[in-house]
Amino acid sequence: GAGVSQSPSNKVTEKGKDVELRCDPISGHTALYWYRQSLGQGLEFLIYFQGNSAPDKSGLPSDRFSAERTGGSVSTLTIQRTQQEDSAVYLCASSVRGGYSYNEQFFGPGTRLTVL
Amino acid sequence: AQTVTQSQPEMSVQEAETVTLSCTYDTSESDYYLFWYKQPPSRQMILVIRQEAYKQQNATENRFSVNFQKAAKSFSLKISDSQLGDAAMYFCAYRNGDLQGGSEKLVFGKGTKLTVNP
Repeated sequence: GAGVSQSPSNKVTEKGKDVELRCDPISGHTALYWYRQSLGQGLEFLIYFQGNSAPDKSGLPSDRFSAERTGGSVSTLTIQRTQQEDSAVYLCASSVRGGYSYNEQFFGPGTRLTVL
Repeated sequence: AQTVTQSQPEMSVQEAETVTLSCTYDTSESDYYLFWYKQPPSRQMILVIRQEAYKQQNATENRFSVNFQKAAKSFSLKISDSQLGDAAMYFCAYRNGDLQGGSEKLVFGKGTKLTVNP
């Protein structure tokens, strides 16, 4: 079956521009996560969605970052007025949400964002 | 806040040999999960193995096994009979076990780059 997909695969933008990154989770997965992987760093959590709501936004680094999810499916991460330090790989993951049980997160291939 | 530390930025191993990657973590929780993920150049994160904190038995998956020392907060990955396809970045990750209504976010270490020499 189809896995998590992300688009675009690569994005080059100029400093100050806005960008939108898209994530299509696995069908039926109610939980969706965004992570950021900067060069030489591990993955940093950004935001978690359960359905269309975001109960945990604690990882968003500034108010230039926002995300939404519609129809309990597709999610868009938006970065406004991009800065060079925003250059990173942005990874999306989804999982089934089932209460007190282990729910594996399945990752997409990521979007590599380069801010010139 | 939970933290995960991988002290080996790079490791290398000869094909068919065994290598151990180190990971330590810090948490005040008693219920949690630990994971090892593999990230090849394709960027696709692949789950290698997981360990539930309440389980005393170390997890194994074919050539991959862990040494989970809960008191020491240590979680190392052993790869036996290393293959060229094992070359990748390996990330250790932590997740709280309290799931009801809470985020299942993963906390990652900075990774270890594994090179497999033929």
